Amino acid sequence: QKEVEQNSGPLSVPEGAIASLNCTYSDRGSQSFFWYRQYSGKSPELIMSIYSNGDKEDGRFTAQLNKASQYVSLLIRDSQPSDSATYLCAVWMDSSYKLIFGSGTRLLVRP
Amino acid sequence: EPEVTQTPSHQVTQMGQEVILRCVPISNHLYFYWYRQILGQKVEFLVSFYNNEISEKSEIFDDQFSVERPDGSNFTLKIRSTKLEDSAMYFCASMPHRNTEAFFGQGTRLTVV
Repeated sequence: QKEVEQNSGPLSVPEGAIASLNCTYSDRGSQSFFWYRQYSGKSPELIMSIYSNGDKEDGRFTAQLNKASQYVSLLIRDSQPSDSATYLCAVWMDSSYKLIFGSGTRLLVRP
Repeated sequence: EPEVTQTPSHQVTQMGQEVILRCVPISNHLYFYWYRQILGQKVEFLVSFYNNEISEKSEIFDDQFSVERPDGSNFTLKIRSTKLEDSAMYFCASMPHRNTEAFFGQGTRLTVV
């Protein structure tokens, strides 16, 4: 079982729509979860962190965490063409003291 | 705003040569990392470094790799004898504390020919 799993996509949404990105993880003891955005040829850029079950909102972004289901998601409201990128889910693995990334979901926002 | 800086941005080297990739982490951060991303693939963990020693390393981080914090500010990754398959983007990251947000440098694109 992969440590952090994401659907590779692409996920295509029209401009103005809500984009929903999902991630599951294997380490039940994990406590810290992060979403990064990566444009082609660039480094990962932190968007959100979430540590507790429930929702956390920051502008157009909402992160959702369900530790019982080992599931993290990111919602992007009012999607813009500039949001087109690969979104990386990252999980701090308490069992091994390292931050592990999923393979990323490519998001395309159609004008 | 403080940022992680990496040099060089692009390095071309011949197979078998040694390369050193350099990073200056954010100044009050305590945990340092190197990641690798082969073109079109995922961001892979290589090594973590804390309190002047390696705290965790992946299977990729074999004897040809080493890390060092020579002067309290720079953090380096050395590849002793490069192979074609070492061609990738190498990212340095730092964290203020364990289990918190990691901030990434802009990366070094290593091309082995």
